[in-house]
Amino acid sequence: GAVVSQHPSWVICKSGTSVKIECRSLDFQATTMFWYRQFPKQSLMLMATSNEGSKATYEQGVEKDKFLINHASLTLSTLTVTSAHPEDSSFYICSANRAPEAFFGQGTRLTVV
Amino acid sequence: AQKITQTQPGMFVQEKEAVTLDCTYDTSDPSYGLFWYKQPSSGEMIFLIYQGSYDQQNATEGRYSLNFQKARKSANLVISASQLGDSAMYFCAMREGFSNTGNQFYFGTGTSLTVIP
Repeated sequence: GAVVSQHPSWVICKSGTSVKIECRSLDFQATTMFWYRQFPKQSLMLMATSNEGSKATYEQGVEKDKFLINHASLTLSTLTVTSAHPEDSSFYICSANRAPEAFFGQGTRLTVV
Repeated sequence: AQKITQTQPGMFVQEKEAVTLDCTYDTSDPSYGLFWYKQPSSGEMIFLIYQGSYDQQNATEGRYSLNFQKARKSANLVISASQLGDSAMYFCAMREGFSNTGNQFYFGTGTSLTVIP
């Protein structure tokens, strides 16, 4: 099956620093990728839709300037958490669709200290 | 209105027994897909089963089957012969439209399944 790879799997950073998370589709091209945030024991919350070659579409309530998304190629989307604070600590997961299914990255557990 | 509703926050099942996880959905699009994903404590999302809105028969994948009742807009997951490794969160999801890979998935709130030895 198709594979989506997400890196890093976990990261600990200091408050005020920025963290970049990569999402790659390894064996198919993804013009669209999705970024989710998940709090413990809760569902996936869609943060933004990443579009190759154009601006990302953010869900209501998600700060564009804090969560920067770049989809520079058909196989790579990045999410940068800028000026991270402890409340940004969460599980972030990306996905890409290859009809009819969604393929997910392994997720990134971010801890801001 | 919620696109996907899972009303069972937690479920327990005895090992080797069958269990049904409930899911109802809401859409006006005639073309849609329904999915179940398993999320163990590691966090990865594991695809289990898919049902298209035009599929006449219920989908089956090994020990997993999807009880698709279109008129009632329900898509329950049935796990037969439960195993200890089945303990995980289970998410029901829906995607409207088939061919547009830009369509987002809508997820339910999940059901935490615990298999008891």
